[in-house]
Amino acid sequence: QSALTQPRSVSGSPGQSVTISCTGTSSDVGGYNYVSWYQQYPGKAPKLMIYDVSKRPSGVPDRLSGSKSGNTASLTISGLQAEDEADYYCCSYAGGSTVFGGGTKVTVL
Amino acid sequence: EVQLVESGGGLVQPGGSLKLSCAASGFTFSGFAMHWVRQASGQGLEWIGRIRSKPNNYATVYAASVKGRFSISRDDSKNTAYLQMNSLTTEDTALYYCTPALVGTTPAWAFDIWGHGTMVTVSS
Repeated sequence: QSALTQPRSVSGSPGQSVTISCTGTSSDVGGYNYVSWYQQYPGKAPKLMIYDVSKRPSGVPDRLSGSKSGNTASLTISGLQAEDEADYYCCSYAGGSTVFGGGTKVTVL
Repeated sequence: EVQLVESGGGLVQPGGSLKLSCAASGFTFSGFAMHWVRQASGQGLEWIGRIRSKPNNYATVYAASVKGRFSISRDDSKNTAYLQMNSLTTEDTALYYCTPALVGTTPAWAFDIWGHGTMVTVSS
């Protein structure tokens, strides 16, 4: 199972929106609505931000949203804030197994 | 308080073995699949494998990179999951996390609870 494909980095100014893509195949992202997204600060454990493609766990701001089209899932962060600067990983169910993306570093300019 | 505590990491020589533990508290451990995820220094997250709950026959699945070398087990009476690692190579050097497949208190294919991880270093 190959890792899902994410851009290495994205950046934006405070208040802007950024979108991170996560491309897989019909065996993972495209085949199931079980895509999740994780935020990770350096030296910290990952934190769940989005699950089941577009659902937000309690406490996650609605500035974050998830979507999916075909084999590509996306995470959009609106109203970018300094605290959003972190690494983000997508993750997908893959027919019994699970696969993560390579991660995207979000930089707030 | 929901908590996961991974332990058992350390320095091991190539070809050696190590058994990691994951002690859970604050949620109904026996009701959820438990997954293991690792992260090499400066690298991304890599899913290693999972063990399902008793109603699902404790079924296990592994990533290709560890299949045949690693095995996952659990002891629901101790609220603990284990990762037995054999034939270790330098490429297994990483921080190892366990995480249940749940969001809030509901089974899900996502990971809402994480511990601090336990570090495994494979080196001669």
